[in-house]
Amino acid sequence: EPEVTQTPSHQVTQMGQEVILHCVPISNHLYFYWYRQILGQKVEFLVSFYNNEISEKSEIFDDQFSVERPDGSNFTLKIRSTKLEDSAMYFCASVHEGLAKNIQYFGAGTRLSVL
Amino acid sequence: GDSVTQMEGPVTLSEEAFLTINCTYTATGYPSLFWYVQYPGEGLQLLLKATKADDKGSNKGFEATYRKETTSFHLEKGSVQVSDSAVYFCALSSLEYGNKLVFGAGTILRVKS
Repeated sequence: EPEVTQTPSHQVTQMGQEVILHCVPISNHLYFYWYRQILGQKVEFLVSFYNNEISEKSEIFDDQFSVERPDGSNFTLKIRSTKLEDSAMYFCASVHEGLAKNIQYFGAGTRLSVL
Repeated sequence: GDSVTQMEGPVTLSEEAFLTINCTYTATGYPSLFWYVQYPGEGLQLLLKATKADDKGSNKGFEATYRKETTSFHLEKGSVQVSDSAVYFCALSSLEYGNKLVFGAGTILRVKS
């Protein structure tokens, strides 16, 4: 069964460093999302992406965050200058356009630890 | 904005016990409702969904009915197994809000043999 793949599974970084989290969505999907879950808290929406542009972003998704689909398969989340409070689990999701449009398929997540 | 409230855990049950995890929502439109499950070390997997009032979603023995009058979507299973131990998330999405998912806090379920 096709799946969403996220790498790395765990990323450790120093405060102020840039990180890029990688996602490979399911190949015929057209809508892409990033969510995060701070330990012990809710899963929160960060950003949605369609047709090579951001379609919606939350107030969490400030200027330190960016997303890109550089080569038609990968979907990346970049944090320019990480803060301690960016430590969280980051989930990528993708959606097929069509009858099952609103079913989001999730990757296993990347645990980001900012020291 | 839209929100989801689900019962706090952890919920600890013996094998073959009946499970209920309560979920209520607040939404301005007509959302679709979901239950996602997260097994240890894995991502979020869709367990079941319902897209309109009175719809019942079901999968793997789990059921939930979309109750518009009580704004609820409680998850039930008649007889749990040890393999059902996981974190369960109730969520909603609305076309009006770009189909982003709004999640509840998650409920840890532990099933003992």
